Amino acid sequence: DGGITQSPKYLFRKEGQNVTLSCEQNLNHDAMYWYRQDPGQGLRLIYYSQIVNDFQKGDIAEGYSVSREKKESFPLTVTSAQKNPTAFYLCASSEPGQGSYEQYFGPGTRLTVT
Amino acid sequence: AQSVTQLDSHVSVSEGTPVLLRCNYSSSYSPSLFWYVQHPNKGLQLLLKYTSAATLVKGINGFEAEFKKSETSFHLTKPSAHMSDAAEYFCVVSDIREAAGNKLTFGGGTRVLVKP
Repeated sequence: DGGITQSPKYLFRKEGQNVTLSCEQNLNHDAMYWYRQDPGQGLRLIYYSQIVNDFQKGDIAEGYSVSREKKESFPLTVTSAQKNPTAFYLCASSEPGQGSYEQYFGPGTRLTVT
Repeated sequence: AQSVTQLDSHVSVSEGTPVLLRCNYSSSYSPSLFWYVQHPNKGLQLLLKYTSAATLVKGINGFEAEFKKSETSFHLTKPSAHMSDAAEYFCVVSDIREAAGNKLTFGGGTRVLVKP
């Protein structure tokens, strides 16, 4: 069953702690993305990666870091430098070059920092 | 630069009546356009997409959208709303330039309420 998995579904952390969100895909897609969603707002791009061992900052990268050591995995670390980390985080993947450009989304992780 | 404006933040319809969600876009290139649906605390699911083929695009669950270049619009419609259509809907434009990394730009979303 192909798709994107994100774990955990809910995550709670204390302020000042780093936390890593998992994203795994078995779609064999080259490109992967991390988005942040706040209540009543659309999605904002944090980081994206078009290929293994390469990634670029999106629109709101400050306070976040990523790695792309394997094609199927793109973990996101929310650092203590992120001023307002409580949000819903969505991971996505796509296969650029197939002509349709849609992205496939995981179920999301809701992070609460207190 | 590309942008998307969803003209209604909330839409309320009665079950069995038509649904219209309005979307206008701006893009410097030939755009790819999408509608996604998100149910509460879930990921996004693709409803339909436009990629420069037919201007009337049919999607899943009875939804369709029409690409109108002259109006820079991509409105989403469904003839008869079902209770299960209650969700948030996002209009999305894609910058297809390779250097842009296939980035998507999202509208602010339209929350649909379906009344029995």
